Amino acid sequence: KNEVEQSPQNLTAQEGEFITINCSYSVGISALHWLQQHPGGGIVSLFMLSSGKKKHGRLIATINIQEKHSSLHITASHPRDSAVYICAVRSGDMRFGAGTRLTVKP
Amino acid sequence: GAGVSQSPSNKVTEKGKDVELRCDPISGHTALYWYRQSLGQGLEFLIYFQGNSAPDKSGLPSDRFSAERTGGSVSTLTIQRTQQEDSAVYLCASSVLAASYNEQFFGPGTRLTVL
Repeated sequence: KNEVEQSPQNLTAQEGEFITINCSYSVGISALHWLQQHPGGGIVSLFMLSSGKKKHGRLIATINIQEKHSSLHITASHPRDSAVYICAVRSGDMRFGAGTRLTVKP
Repeated sequence: GAGVSQSPSNKVTEKGKDVELRCDPISGHTALYWYRQSLGQGLEFLIYFQGNSAPDKSGLPSDRFSAERTGGSVSTLTIQRTQQEDSAVYLCASSVLAASYNEQFFGPGTRLTVL
């Protein structure tokens, strides 16, 4: 069993829909990251969380330390949000989820 | 430059040859990380450097892999006697410190293809 599990693996949405991507982990962590990887391969760090909730534009990330669970939400999704979203946790080194491939159709 | 840079962007090599991949972190960032992303796979931690401390090599997949960081800045990841399973995108990231509260900034990666 992977230490970091993401769901769903693939997600297709219509433009404007509200998106939720989930991440569960089984190890003790000091921080959790949400990363975005575009089709060209570049990776951008979206959020780094150790507790609570963060918001940036249309993106919201939450974490529940007790439940070892985090969610990434995208409001009013847009085709340019199409990317792979990766959950990563710091537990000594970095451990990564397999990613969620999001496709937003116009 | 403003971000993490890596070179080359693409490298094609023959099985059994050695390759060197370079990473230039953001100026002033003392922590530097190497990751690997094989085709269809998730990211995999390889090694990280923090200042002058001994690097954490726990993620290196075999003794054919090594990395060094000269002068606390530029890092080189060396793969000796490359194998086809080494084909992947190798990503470098840097952060101000290796502490968990510091965000990592990723480079564009080097796509390695071993024929």
